Amino acid sequence: GENVEQHPSTLSVQEGDSAVIKCTYSDSASNYFPWYKQELGKRPQLIIDIRSNVGEKKDQRIAVTLNKTAKHFSLHITETQPEDSAVYFCAASNDYKLSFGAGTTVTVRA
Amino acid sequence: GAVVSQHPSWVICKSGTSVKIECRSLDFQATTMFWYRQFPKQSLMLMATSNEGSKATYEQGVEKDKFLINHASLTLSTLTVTSAHPEDSSFYICSASPNPRAQPQHFGDGTRLSIL
Repeated sequence: GENVEQHPSTLSVQEGDSAVIKCTYSDSASNYFPWYKQELGKRPQLIIDIRSNVGEKKDQRIAVTLNKTAKHFSLHITETQPEDSAVYFCAASNDYKLSFGAGTTVTVRA
Repeated sequence: GAVVSQHPSWVICKSGTSVKIECRSLDFQATTMFWYRQFPKQSLMLMATSNEGSKATYEQGVEKDKFLINHASLTLSTLTVTSAHPEDSSFYICSASPNPRAQPQHFGDGTRLSIL
């Protein structure tokens, strides 16, 4: 099955700086890569996703890049704000099932 | 659109009891729903795929007799944790998509289960 590794496990950044989270996947057939933000005790919220026919996608302060050859994808958050503090999960899918990374706890220092 | 509702949001019960959790797609029909379990400070682990009108497909290591799944209609899947014990305490989350076997998945609010 699919194995998704996510780094770092924790990330502390100064408000206004950028944050980068990286994930690798094992199954070359995976074709869908979402990123979720989860606040304590709440549901995961989809913040951005990318499909394998695209190399990069951007939505305001958030961007995702995908390198299919190397089987890794990254989340970039620019101009971080305190409300960006949360746990972020990457995931990969080659059909309808999602395999999640271990998560990254992001703390934005004011 | 694409709202998934989960009930209850929080349940506390004694060891040995059975607990039923409901997952509903409010504005779309879902032939497939997914059940996840999330322990504190851990990731989401897929437990099973719920298929309307047929048996659920369980992931390796998940006891099908322990976690009963019923998907009797196109908008409702239920997860019953039978004879629950403290180690079953966790955050259970369901997800579904308006398009069968398609992404993205939409998650319910989750159910916090605490077994005393």
